[in-house]
Amino acid sequence: AQSVTQLDSQVPVFEEAPVELRCNYSSSVSVYLFWYVQYPNQGLQLLLKYLSGSTLVKGINGFEAEFNKSQTSFHLRKPSVHISDTAEYFCAVTKTGANNLFFGTGTRLTVIP
Amino acid sequence: EPEVTQTPSHQVTQMGQEVILRCVPISNHLYFYWYRQILGQKVEFLVSFYNNEISEKSEIFDDQFSVERPDGSNFTLKIRSTKLEDSAMYFCASSLLASSYNEQFFGPGTRLTVL
Repeated sequence: AQSVTQLDSQVPVFEEAPVELRCNYSSSVSVYLFWYVQYPNQGLQLLLKYLSGSTLVKGINGFEAEFNKSQTSFHLRKPSVHISDTAEYFCAVTKTGANNLFFGTGTRLTVIP
Repeated sequence: EPEVTQTPSHQVTQMGQEVILRCVPISNHLYFYWYRQILGQKVEFLVSFYNNEISEKSEIFDDQFSVERPDGSNFTLKIRSTKLEDSAMYFCASSLLASSYNEQFFGPGTRLTVL
């Protein structure tokens, strides 16, 4: 079975500072990895996904993530955050051939002016 | 931009009552999903639905749950006899294709409170 761990439930960071949101996964089979963002009162929106190929994936809003197979990680990063990045971020995994996503518990990013 | 919508945004019900949560997926999508998130816990997969049939379901999705696409636009989740532990945020999602790399578009959720 697949599972995802997001160790940081809350991450406060000052505006224009860099941020890294951590995600580790476990799976015995090949997986696809995703980061979703949820702004207040909105649905989950896909930020980026790793399917195969280059381990560095670029997404929307200046975010990127790096797939590290040896460390089973898929950390999300942004070099300079904005107030508008304040939201809940979810890491998710699915195995190839399946269509149900396994989510982490989420990390609440709060950008401080 | 097309989006998934869900109604109501918040539903309060008494234990033992039936509830129906409604979703309108994106119009040309073919695959539909329900997920839930108990407060402070993970978002959990409940069920996927295609061609008027359940294609996959989790162990959470027991006989108390059912899904239906009653017309060409709505996708519903019914809980027959709600329990306190059913209190959660319920998310509907849809995707154009079923493949695991195809993006699922999520609605804003319905917060279900069972008293």
